[in-house]
Amino acid sequence: DSGVTQTPKHLITATGQRVTLRCSPRSGDLSVYWYQQSLDQGLQFLIQYYNGEERAKGNILERFSAQQFPDLHSELNLSSLELGDSALYFCASSVDGRDIEQYFGPGTRLTVT
Amino acid sequence: EDQVTQSPEALRLQEGESSSLNCSYTVSGLRGLFWYRQDPGKGPEFLFTLYSAGEEKEKERLKATLTKKESFLHITAPKPEDSATYLCAVQAWAAGNKLTFGGGTRVLVKP
Repeated sequence: DSGVTQTPKHLITATGQRVTLRCSPRSGDLSVYWYQQSLDQGLQFLIQYYNGEERAKGNILERFSAQQFPDLHSELNLSSLELGDSALYFCASSVDGRDIEQYFGPGTRLTVT
Repeated sequence: EDQVTQSPEALRLQEGESSSLNCSYTVSGLRGLFWYRQDPGKGPEFLFTLYSAGEEKEKERLKATLTKKESFLHITAPKPEDSATYLCAVQAWAAGNKLTFGGGTRVLVKP
């Protein structure tokens, strides 16, 4: 158990809908990262937040957005969903000081039908 | 652009048959190279961080090594419970804390 929690574990929704994925980092970690894992693309970095502020952006679609709240939990919002958005979405966290290791949560499996 | 290539894509081993996984990388200014283990449908589990060429780290039957262009994950006398996908990732100084992952090596250890 990494100490990172994600909800829900599974999500099934229809095209065009909007969903919110939630992540709670390990205790004491200030950075939260979101990654998408699909069969054809592998693990891809989406976005990083550090202590409530966006720090880095990867290949995140404009239909996707994220935020980190004062209690350091983070939410990833996916809107206008398409079939190709079906994937595993992972959250990771790190202390973001001397330690650079990222610890991953169990993931949310999103299925768009 | 940072790139990570892992080989082979899949590896079938008999229990006790040692082998090595390769991770070749191209990065402008390596901050760290990471190895993770991932079981089906689960999140990646952190194994090792390597920072500079020549560094080695060990954990049970796993040993990771690093050169300027590649890293190896050696599995010594594997057991069926070592079956998993092993992921390699790099972090560049210029890219903040973003991890760039390889495609992984699926390892199956048969009893």
